[in-house]
Amino acid sequence: NAGVMQNPRHLVRRRGQEARLRCSPMKGHSHVYWYRQLPEEGLKFMVYLQKENIIDESGMPKERFSAEFPKEGPSILRIQQVVRGDSAAYFCASSRGSGGLGEQYFGPGTRLTVT
Amino acid sequence: AQTVTQSQPEMSVQEAETVTLSCTYDTSESDYYLFWYKQPPSRQMILVIRQEAYKQQNATENRFSVNFQKAAKSFSLKISDSQLGDAAMYFCAYRSGDTGTASKLTFGTGTRLQVTL
Repeated sequence: NAGVMQNPRHLVRRRGQEARLRCSPMKGHSHVYWYRQLPEEGLKFMVYLQKENIIDESGMPKERFSAEFPKEGPSILRIQQVVRGDSAAYFCASSRGSGGLGEQYFGPGTRLTVT
Repeated sequence: AQTVTQSQPEMSVQEAETVTLSCTYDTSESDYYLFWYKQPPSRQMILVIRQEAYKQQNATENRFSVNFQKAAKSFSLKISDSQLGDAAMYFCAYRSGDTGTASKLTFGTGTRLQVTL
């Protein structure tokens, strides 16, 4: 059973470009979470999605960041007009459900570098 | 809002010895889960151990065990017979058990564990 897949593993963007990060959850998982880890810090929650729905986006910056989890295909975290401060590792996690079924399994992360 | 505090930025342990990493948390909820995740240099987040708040018995996974003190809101991780492969960042995390709310994880700032020969 494949784990959570994220691609690309490394992404370099110039300031002002767009970054698209992809996450394919584990088989049978319909809940996806995105977290951001700035250098030398812990992971911070960004957004929680189920298929075609954003459940909680309380950790998402108000501008330039968006996320989706379509009926078909991976979840996408999109960052428009990237700035140096967006450089971080972005982790996706998936779970089968919430509450007692909410065990989250993490992907390997995408390291975004903005030059 | 829930908070998780790890007061030890770095710890060091000799191979084969035992080390305890501290974690405290703050919540008004009665139903929740606590976790320890390991992040080695590869940066992959690996679940080490979990504890359900309603269980009084401390969780154990091989050389890893926790000391869960619910009243004190303390959740420490004990690593016995430390191995070189245990060297990593360790993060304590909290998750609500309420199925009606989002199940996001709240992480502490981490403890970097060094294992020496």
